[in-house]
Amino acid sequence: ELKVEQNPLFLSMQEGKNYTIYCNYSTTSDRLYWYRQDPGKSLESLFVLLSNGAVKQEGRLMASLDTKARLSTLHITAAVHDLSATYFCAVDGVETSGSRLTFGEGTQLTVNP
Amino acid sequence: DVKVTQSSRYLVKRTGEKVFLECVQDMDHENMFWYRQDPGLGLRLIYFSYDVKMKEKGDIPEGYSVSREKKERFSLILESASTNQTSMYLCASSLLRVISYEQYFGPGTRLTVT
Repeated sequence: ELKVEQNPLFLSMQEGKNYTIYCNYSTTSDRLYWYRQDPGKSLESLFVLLSNGAVKQEGRLMASLDTKARLSTLHITAAVHDLSATYFCAVDGVETSGSRLTFGEGTQLTVNP
Repeated sequence: DVKVTQSSRYLVKRTGEKVFLECVQDMDHENMFWYRQDPGLGLRLIYFSYDVKMKEKGDIPEGYSVSREKKERFSLILESASTNQTSMYLCASSLLRVISYEQYFGPGTRLTVT
């Protein structure tokens, strides 16, 4: 069974600080997805990482993928309040039906002034 | 832009009622998915579909059924709603391709069963 684990599950940080969210998964996969969810809203796609060593950046967020370590990171630089949301990583693994994604539990990020 | 729409944002139903949640996507995606999201439990897959009239069970199909008569439309049916089906329901779609299985989500339906 494919497992996707995020760490930490809850993160409270101050504006201006840097932090990293980790996403570990248990199967061979070279495709990983990051999503953002605001309270009461749906999931919005942030990054699609399609190969080992892939790095994508958008504003203060940068995502990377290490398929050998089965690890993806979402790095937050100089956090601002607008980044407060829940962040999910998701993986599609070779042992699951083609296009099915397995999601992590989500990391609830709160950025305090 | 991919657009996934859901028939209702909020729905209140009584125990025992038959409930229909509808999802429509406008990007000719082959795959469609229904999830429920509950606090502390993350997203759980209920059913998914690769093609018209095709369906596969997800992790928690009990108490639910689905229908896909047209490619753009995927319906989730609660045959006899119960209070433990109170939840946020999310629909998603994706292309059936090997490069990326990125899913696009609808706005969600918050269902309350009383």
